[in-house]
Amino acid sequence: GQNIDQPTEMTATEGAIVQINCTYQTSGFNGLFWYQQHAGEAPTFLSYNVLDGLEEKGRFSSFLSRSKGYSYLLLKELQMKDSASYLCAVVDSNYQLIWGAGTKLIIKP
Amino acid sequence: GAVVSQHPSWVICKSGTSVKIECRSLDFQATTMFWYRQFPKQSLMLMATSNEGSKATYEQGVEKDKFLINHASLTLSTLTVTSAHPEDSSFYICSALFRDYEQYFGPGTRLTVT
Repeated sequence: GQNIDQPTEMTATEGAIVQINCTYQTSGFNGLFWYQQHAGEAPTFLSYNVLDGLEEKGRFSSFLSRSKGYSYLLLKELQMKDSASYLCAVVDSNYQLIWGAGTKLIIKP
Repeated sequence: GAVVSQHPSWVICKSGTSVKIECRSLDFQATTMFWYRQFPKQSLMLMATSNEGSKATYEQGVEKDKFLINHASLTLSTLTVTSAHPEDSSFYICSALFRDYEQYFGPGTRLTVT
């Protein structure tokens, strides 16, 4: 079957760095999304990786290793507003989105 | 975790025809479901909130007469794209709200209008 794993919840301190991991087993691979979702709002696009490597975008970076079925989202200089759920989603060979359950990130002062 | 399915997973239709997409919560009852549209490499765009037994709430800019939403039961919501045009070609994703704060997404329906 197809599966996306990410931690259920993580806690970090304001100003620190946190890495949210996502591992996947899917039938084919056509890219991986990271979304941020605040409660009651639609998910916001953060990144899309289809090739191996690290992509940096401001305070957020996303890494992909297709051979390992692994991605991470790195958040630097954490701010209180970064408290949210972070969703990992993989596009499979049929261009269907396979969703992770999301990681709830709690930022403490 | 909870499972949400969509049917069909992909559909090709001719311009001017209508297409119905189903969203089902398979193992829980969902009084609230959401319909999104996904453009390439962009955020999910919330189209409407579907509430069981009442009219859907549409986001600004979404034509409610074009995108008909029916949430007839606690496990099924449907989105009908009426008089489809090529610009309606997109990826449509539904989600179901579980216990008021957990949201589970469907795998999406890829619509191509020729």
